[in-house]
Amino acid sequence: GAGVSQSPRYKVTKRGQDVTLRCDPISSHATLYWYQQALGQGPEFLTYFNYEAQPDKSGLPSDRFSAERPEGSISTLTIQRTEQRDSAMYRCASSEGTAGNTIYFGEGSWLTVV
Amino acid sequence: AQTVTQSQPEMSVQEAETVTLSCTYDTSESNYYLFWYKQPPSRQMILVIRQEAYKQQNATENRFSVNFQKAAKSFSLKISDSQLGDTAMYFCAFMNFNSGTYKYIFGTGTRLKVLA
Repeated sequence: GAGVSQSPRYKVTKRGQDVTLRCDPISSHATLYWYQQALGQGPEFLTYFNYEAQPDKSGLPSDRFSAERPEGSISTLTIQRTEQRDSAMYRCASSEGTAGNTIYFGEGSWLTVV
Repeated sequence: AQTVTQSQPEMSVQEAETVTLSCTYDTSESNYYLFWYKQPPSRQMILVIRQEAYKQQNATENRFSVNFQKAAKSFSLKISDSQLGDTAMYFCAFMNFNSGTYKYIFGTGTRLKVLA
């Protein structure tokens, strides 16, 4: 696509429910990133993919968080048994390659856990 | 661990004036990239400028320029002739690729307000 597309844009869920967020990167981009951004803070790294490989998932806060990119294109971020502290914007970004290429962010998915 | 520090949570500047946003980072690597991103109220993330660490020349993009001091690990952003549309959060970001991972590390941001 022309830009990085994320869905849903807004999600309200009850504590304990599972949620899945979707990211559709720019079509030619090999690298895809997931970031978590709390209000008034900078984006915090969660994980990234190079095609379907996931070389670094060191930023995932707990084993409740997982991400997939099975065909090297669309990616999903799943949060199981959501907690209120998971409330944040989840941002996806993509880039053509890895070393120093500009990353293009999507508009983000706002998650509110009540 | 690599870190990025933006010590100015908020700044303001009069329209048409010049303002400088500071950023310092900590790394033991020699090859890396630095970026400034702008996040307006719409919360989009927009690349403002980038700098390769191996280049001594400071990057410039129209009214935006950087002062890159590698030895001091400092990467400040200068905005000249400030415009009302420059009002936004500005994030400094660091990325190196020698450690085998390609993650970008962001600072906590500086909220800039341009006053009419």
